Amino acid sequence: KNEVEQSPQNLTAQEGEFITINCSYSVGISALHWLQQHPGGGIVSLFMLSSGKKKHGRLIATINIQEKHSSLHITASHPRDSAVYICAVRSSGTSYGKLTFGQGTILTVHP
Amino acid sequence: ETGVTQSPTHLIKTRGQQVTLRCSSQSGHNTVSWYQQALGQGPQFIFQYYREEENGRGNFPPRFSGLQFPNYSSELNVNALELDDSALYLCASSLPAQANGYTFGSGTRLTVV
Repeated sequence: KNEVEQSPQNLTAQEGEFITINCSYSVGISALHWLQQHPGGGIVSLFMLSSGKKKHGRLIATINIQEKHSSLHITASHPRDSAVYICAVRSSGTSYGKLTFGQGTILTVHP
Repeated sequence: ETGVTQSPTHLIKTRGQQVTLRCSSQSGHNTVSWYQQALGQGPQFIFQYYREEENGRGNFPPRFSGLQFPNYSSELNVNALELDDSALYLCASSLPAQANGYTFGSGTRLTVV
């Protein structure tokens, strides 16, 4: 079992729909990151969370430390949101900044 | 403030050859980590450099090595290339404190034939 599991692996939505991507992890963490990767490969950092909830525009990220679970929500989805969304955790067991990544969720939003 | 730049963007090498990939860190960041992302997979941690020293390593063989320079830019070297080394190689710069985030480069796509 991977230390970081995401679901679903693939997600297709119509423009305007509310989207949720889930991330579960099995290790103690100091931070959880939500990242966006476009087809060219470059990764953009969306959120870094250690507790609670963060919001940026149409994106909302939440984390429940006790349940070792995080969700990324996209409100009023748009075709430009189509990308791979990746959850990554920074383990609290290492003194250095190793990130452990989930496999990613491929999101496609149709007009 | 500049971001993280990786070069080259694409590269084709023959099995058995050696390759060097380069990464410039974001201004002010003194830590660089490297990741390998195979097609359809999440990135896997290779190693991290802090102040020119390797201070963490993932499950990669010694033929994967690196350097960090005084300006905090970094190189990833892979010797004796194998077909399975074909992947997207990503670097990320950061500050070492756990409260800080990461800035990723766009990656180098390596194809070994």
